[in-house]
Amino acid sequence: DAKTTQPNSMESNEEEPVHLPCNHSTISGTDYIHWYRQLPSQGPEYVIHGLTSNVNNRMASLAIAEDRKSSTLILHRATLRDAAVYYCILSGYTGGFKTIFGAGTRLFVKA
Amino acid sequence: SAVISQKPSRDICQRGTSLTIQCQVDSQVTMMFWYRQQPGQSLTLIATANQGSEATYESGFVIDKFPISRPNLTFSTLTVSNMSPEDSSIYLCSVEIRAGNMYGYTFGSGTRLTVV
Repeated sequence: DAKTTQPNSMESNEEEPVHLPCNHSTISGTDYIHWYRQLPSQGPEYVIHGLTSNVNNRMASLAIAEDRKSSTLILHRATLRDAAVYYCILSGYTGGFKTIFGAGTRLFVKA
Repeated sequence: SAVISQKPSRDICQRGTSLTIQCQVDSQVTMMFWYRQQPGQSLTLIATANQGSEATYESGFVIDKFPISRPNLTFSTLTVSNMSPEDSSIYLCSVEIRAGNMYGYTFGSGTRLTVV
């Protein structure tokens, strides 16, 4: 199964941009890159996903490297409510549509 | 996107007993997934459940311990059998959503299980 690698934790100041990196060097051509975040005592929630092109939505932006072996989730202005564990995962035909979670990055936001 | 109702939200169970966790989805979905999340850890996929076929289990998980039902396209159950304290964890169900350009997953709020 394709795996992802993320830093264990990151810190950000409130109202500053945050760039959360993810490496997925074994990604296959049919794998989508998904980002989810998990707030304390809640299930993961969808943030954004992409295949090859950069993507923007109201929550975040996703920058995908040209070779697709890495991606970066961008929170444009971090708030205290963005403090969570962020998971970068791959999903697609590889492994039969399974979604495998890595360890994630715990984001700390300082006021 | 789909909304999942998962219950119970939490339970405290005696060792040796079994607990069945239910997930109800407000729309028909093909694929449902069951995860375990141990304290402070990431999510570990237990199995994939498609309606009309037997669940596919990941390495380290077996049907006798975690039997799964998927009677229709909106419902699934996971049973944690013959529980021991090591089964204390959060269990989550998830469904795959595909609609137009949208492709993602929705998760239930989880079942926090404590085995004593």
